Amino acid sequence: GAGVSQSPSNKVTEKGKDVELRCDPISGHTALYWYRQSLGQGLEFLIYFQGNSAPDKSGLPSDRFSAERTGGSVSTLTIQRTQQEDSAVYLCASSYVSGQGSEAFFGQGTRLTVV
Amino acid sequence: AQSVTQLGSHVSVSEGALVLLRCNYSSSVPPYLFWYVQYPNQGLQLLLKYTTGATLVKGINGFEAEFKKSETSFHLTKPSAHMSDAAEYFCAMNNFNKFYFGSGTKLNVKP
Repeated sequence: GAGVSQSPSNKVTEKGKDVELRCDPISGHTALYWYRQSLGQGLEFLIYFQGNSAPDKSGLPSDRFSAERTGGSVSTLTIQRTQQEDSAVYLCASSYVSGQGSEAFFGQGTRLTVV
Repeated sequence: AQSVTQLGSHVSVSEGALVLLRCNYSSSVPPYLFWYVQYPNQGLQLLLKYTTGATLVKGINGFEAEFKKSETSFHLTKPSAHMSDAAEYFCAMNNFNKFYFGSGTKLNVKP
């Protein structure tokens, strides 16, 4: 596709349920990022994938959060046993690693509401 | 340590007034710098970027930013604010192929 695609665009789930959020990066982009944006807050870094390297998971807030990237392309962010504080917009971004300062391209986000 | 700091989480200007959004960075190597804008209920889109060369960078919608190495700054300006500029603005840095974002500045434009 032409841009970063995230699905679903909106997700309402009950507290305690697991959810999966999907990100399709731009073809050829080897770097992929997940961020969380809570209401009125800035961007909170969650996880970073770069090629075949081990992901940088330093931003994951708890062990209920995990992410994988299959085949160096699509990524899935999984939140287990969701809590109300997980309610936020989850943004995915991808970039082409060129050493020339390529920009990150963002998806429209998934708005997660835990009720 | 690599980091980006945006001074002022909220900035309010009158329509037609100068817009100045501040960004400072900390980097161990020459950085690549970016400004992104986020309109309500949308993703982030690139306003402008600095990689190498000319330190004054022009972007979309009349915005520009100047890279000042001596001040480790990359402030965003626009001579005359428009109501449509109301949004949240994020400064970012790319070091070693990893992005670092500031905490964002919400710009309010008063009629």
